[in-house]
Amino acid sequence: EAGVTQSPTHLIKTRGQQVTLRCSPISGHTSVYWYQQALGLGLQFLLWYDEGEERNRGNFPPRFSGRQFPNYSSELNVNALELEDSALYLCASSLLSVEETQYFGPGTRLLVL
Amino acid sequence: SQKIEQNSEALNIQEGKTATLTCNYTNYSPAYLQWYRQDPGRGPVFLLLIRENEKEKRKERLKVTFDTTLKQSLFHITASQPADSATYLCARSGGSYIPTFGRGTSLIVHP
Repeated sequence: EAGVTQSPTHLIKTRGQQVTLRCSPISGHTSVYWYQQALGLGLQFLLWYDEGEERNRGNFPPRFSGRQFPNYSSELNVNALELEDSALYLCASSLLSVEETQYFGPGTRLLVL
Repeated sequence: SQKIEQNSEALNIQEGKTATLTCNYTNYSPAYLQWYRQDPGRGPVFLLLIRENEKEKRKERLKVTFDTTLKQSLFHITASQPADSATYLCARSGGSYIPTFGRGTSLIVHP
């Protein structure tokens, strides 16, 4: 069974640009979560989608947005990039069960210059 | 808001010894605690989940305990190996709350 996939693996952008990251969940999983992990820091929750709806949002500015498609894949969009947006962006998927065990993708490493 | 706290200092142990990592939580009891392993530059990998009505869970060389009185979970790796060196994350789950991860504890197993 294929795991969570993310694309691209690495990305270099400049300040002010926009970026779109993509995630495909494990087959059968309806929930997708996005996290930001800056170097040396913990996972910071960004967004949670389930069945195409945004279920919850972390403490991030509105320039971080996303969506979930009917096939449960998801996109994370970041507008007006800032230097501090440089981080590993992780996507995870889960069944919408009360236990919410999450299965993570390999991440997208974003560098903003 | 709730917090998941893990020891930020790296844990250094000798190969063959038992590693014990601590996870403390505040404010309210999570229904579940989960432990993940993360290698540098990679996504976390799920290891074990323990429910609040369970005292202990085992999987091969791994053992997790959950003490709701102390608001603490302990994660043990017995007969540790250098390949166990990684960062270990504790996370709460359950209900419609935002998934919350601790910052992780780095484990270094010396040969």
